[in-house]
Amino acid sequence: AQTVTQSQPEMSVQEAETVTLSCTYDTSESDYYLFWYKQPPSRQMILVIRQEAYKQQNATENRFSVNFQKAAKSFSLKISDSQLGDAAMYFCAYRSGNSGGSNYKLTFGKGTLLTVNP
Amino acid sequence: NAGVTQTPKFRILKIGQSMTLQCAQDMNHNYMYWYRQDPGMGLKLIYYSVGAGITDKGEVPNGYNVSRSTTEDFPLRLELAAPSQTSVYFCASSYMAEAFFGQGTRLTVV
Repeated sequence: AQTVTQSQPEMSVQEAETVTLSCTYDTSESDYYLFWYKQPPSRQMILVIRQEAYKQQNATENRFSVNFQKAAKSFSLKISDSQLGDAAMYFCAYRSGNSGGSNYKLTFGKGTLLTVNP
Repeated sequence: NAGVTQTPKFRILKIGQSMTLQCAQDMNHNYMYWYRQDPGMGLKLIYYSVGAGITDKGEVPNGYNVSRSTTEDFPLRLELAAPSQTSVYFCASSYMAEAFFGQGTRLTVV
């Protein structure tokens, strides 16, 4: 079974600074997807960024980028120019690339609570 | 486009009561899921469905039941509520690699 580990229960960053959230995962599969979700106090789960394992290029979405190290099974999220609205719980998640059945479910880490200080 | 809609948003149940959490999606997704989120524990899969009439257990199915009579709806039934079922519940649907979540239901069992 796949596991996802987020070793930082809490992180803080100054507004306009850069912060990196860590995520490691364990899998025997070669085809899979990795995600970062943001959960603000409103409770809504918001997809921040997605990485396909077969892609060597790291995904980027505006101020959000990932450092995907497939051999090391590491998937960190970098937030640049942090804003007050970035304050939230961030979850790393894994999804198998195999088709059918429970393969499409997401396996989540325990989350990292990010505080942005003005 | 409403996406995934969950009702209710909040509920307080007494021990032993039953209730159904409703989930509906309007994106014609075959795959639907129920997760629960406990503090410091991330989200854990309760049940999932790969299409109308087909459901299966996830990691933490005890105390819950589901049905999937249509593509759109995937209700979660709690029988004989227990304090251990106090949690935030999320319904999600997926197409290809992206999952869409409802806004969650905060359930307290007292």
